Amino acid sequence: SQQGEEDPQALSIQEGENATMNCSYKTSINNLQWYRQNSGRGLVHLILIRSNEREKHSGRLRVTLDTSKKSSSLLITASRAADTASYFCATDVSGGSYIPTFGRGTSLIVHP
Amino acid sequence: DTGVSQDPRHKITKRGQNVTFRCDPISEHNRLYWYRQTLGQGPEFLTYFQNEAQLEKSRLLSDRFSAERPKGSFSTLEIQRTEQGDSAMYLCASSPPLDLYEQYFGPGTRLTVT
Repeated sequence: SQQGEEDPQALSIQEGENATMNCSYKTSINNLQWYRQNSGRGLVHLILIRSNEREKHSGRLRVTLDTSKKSSSLLITASRAADTASYFCATDVSGGSYIPTFGRGTSLIVHP
Repeated sequence: DTGVSQDPRHKITKRGQNVTFRCDPISEHNRLYWYRQTLGQGPEFLTYFQNEAQLEKSRLLSDRFSAERPKGSFSTLEIQRTEQGDSAMYLCASSPPLDLYEQYFGPGTRLTVT
């Protein structure tokens, strides 16, 4: 069963716009990660946020985590056509072993 | 290319046949993971190794699935008596000793069972 669920399932925007996708999960987590998957580069790790962190930045990416609401968001600013991909959140509930549970993903299309 | 490699990239087999996939992790990565991904879904964890030890295998989908990492380097995933429902992308990932959260994924092996 999926621990994390991304929302929306699909998102279509124009180049230069911001894209926001959300991830909700069910049980307490140790950390949460976001991954990107496209046909060219496969599945790539983007950013990790730990359960005691609230916000993290990496380049044009901003991730927030609200453990009280069991949710996270990924914001991509000034999107580019190359950002077209599926984005997955992955949660870790294991005690130190790191066994990630992925959601179904958000499919993002950025139109040039 | 020093990334994670998987072989073959595509496999078409008839129902009932056995298949074996290989994964070569990044050199010196001690953890190696196998996942299955079906269309429209995220990767589903199957099993993982730390060096040659298989530390979690309860999530292998059935007793038809088995994995090995005999010398702590490459790994194989075998599916016996394949079924049409086994058709999927099988992904391998590895992570380094000091950062187990940083997983590097291979390109995957796409299995089609006819």
